[in-house]
Amino acid sequence: EADIYQTPRYLVIGTGKKITLECSQTMGHDKMYWYQQDPGMELHLIHYSYGVNSTEKGDLSSESTVSRIRTEHFPLTLESARPSHTSQYLCASSAGTYLSKETQYFGPGTRLLVL
Amino acid sequence: GEDVEQSLFLSVREGDSSVINCTYTDSSSTYLYWYKQEPGAGLQLLTYIFSNMDMKQDQRLTVLLNKKDKHLSLRIADTQTGDSAIYFCAEWRNSGGYQKVTFGIGTKLQVIP
Repeated sequence: EADIYQTPRYLVIGTGKKITLECSQTMGHDKMYWYQQDPGMELHLIHYSYGVNSTEKGDLSSESTVSRIRTEHFPLTLESARPSHTSQYLCASSAGTYLSKETQYFGPGTRLLVL
Repeated sequence: GEDVEQSLFLSVREGDSSVINCTYTDSSSTYLYWYKQEPGAGLQLLTYIFSNMDMKQDQRLTVLLNKKDKHLSLRIADTQTGDSAIYFCAEWRNSGGYQKVTFGIGTKLQVIP
């Protein structure tokens, strides 16, 4: 069983608030990812990291930011939440190395509702 | 281009077999995955297949890969109500030195008791 955790699981917050979604993994994986999933829609990659101090934007443009100061921790921050940010955010990690298989393990997700 | 397509919905009776299909466009895909997402939960890796394989069996799950047609399927034998979930097909490939995973939209499997 994969050891990847996300908090909070559910968050309801007002417009304009700053929020941080936490993601931690205890598997020592170098790679971590954030996906956004609207109800009934596909997953979209919004951020990824290949190691400490490495962060990149994904396929879907997002107003969120991420940081990777420690291997096990990959928080996502929204400086000023808006209703359009309402979605499910899924964090994943993997140990895949160059030219090797990439098995991503997912956390349980954070459901965000911005009023 | 890169695209992964799946049908949106599948309904089967308990005890029957379920077959969930997926097509992808990138012939350089190296690994193909099936993930399961139960309501309110994250994604759970079910199984994967390497692109040089035609078939992989894991208990009730059988994955078939037709690389020529870029078609992937997941067969669940003796489908149970606990199999009701959304199933995501995903492809992995190396893209410009970076590894990339692309997910399909997900197929919702409904199991009728």
